[in-house]
Amino acid sequence: DTEVTQTPKHLVMGMTNKKSLKCEQHMGHRAMYWYKQKAKKPPELMFVYSYEKLSINESVPSRFSPECPNSSLLNLHLHALQPEDSALYLCASRGRGGPVNEQFFGPGTRLTVL
Amino acid sequence: AQKVTQAQTEISVVEKEDVTLDCVYETRDTTYYLFWYKQPPSGELVFLIRRNSFDEQNEISGRYSWNFQKSTSSFNFTITASQVVDSAVYFCALSSTYNTDKLIFGTGTRLQVFP
Repeated sequence: DTEVTQTPKHLVMGMTNKKSLKCEQHMGHRAMYWYKQKAKKPPELMFVYSYEKLSINESVPSRFSPECPNSSLLNLHLHALQPEDSALYLCASRGRGGPVNEQFFGPGTRLTVL
Repeated sequence: AQKVTQAQTEISVVEKEDVTLDCVYETRDTTYYLFWYKQPPSGELVFLIRRNSFDEQNEISGRYSWNFQKSTSSFNFTITASQVVDSAVYFCALSSTYNTDKLIFGTGTRLQVFP
């Protein structure tokens, strides 16, 4: 199973809402990533979890709160977002140890903040 | 500093034409990795290839081929006999062996293949 799944596929939320994005992989990967991608731009790294611990936070505003409950799951909790946070949010995973491996990406969640 | 440049913003071809997507990178690292990803309209980034800086051999996979030239810091991607299904945005990316979690992406090239 070489698949990263993300739910929901689409999400519309108001600026006062609290919502969560979910990512799951069953490839035994121990590194998981959140990216944000605006239209016609490359993905931008937000967070990296390595062995379920947050290892990289690319100075992301605190209204985005990541969580890694176990080695297969990655969540992104959203609160008090702004309209400019509307984007495609991509999750990725990668194996640890051995030679460098590529990141496998999920299909993304298209988020619209009203 | 690390940087990836994909100078071609958009390319349009007719089916069965060959097309080459250019990628030029900058890095001070002596060892690094280069990647190509495809992003169809559905949004998912699909991994195509990883190349170690030690390995300058060109690679062919079906209709896809990659030309890695360290002397010119380029890692170009050629699609032979393009098909409509090749229509997508293609990203070239670079990572250092010292920080393999960070992918430095180019701005992408949008390829449109018309029937």
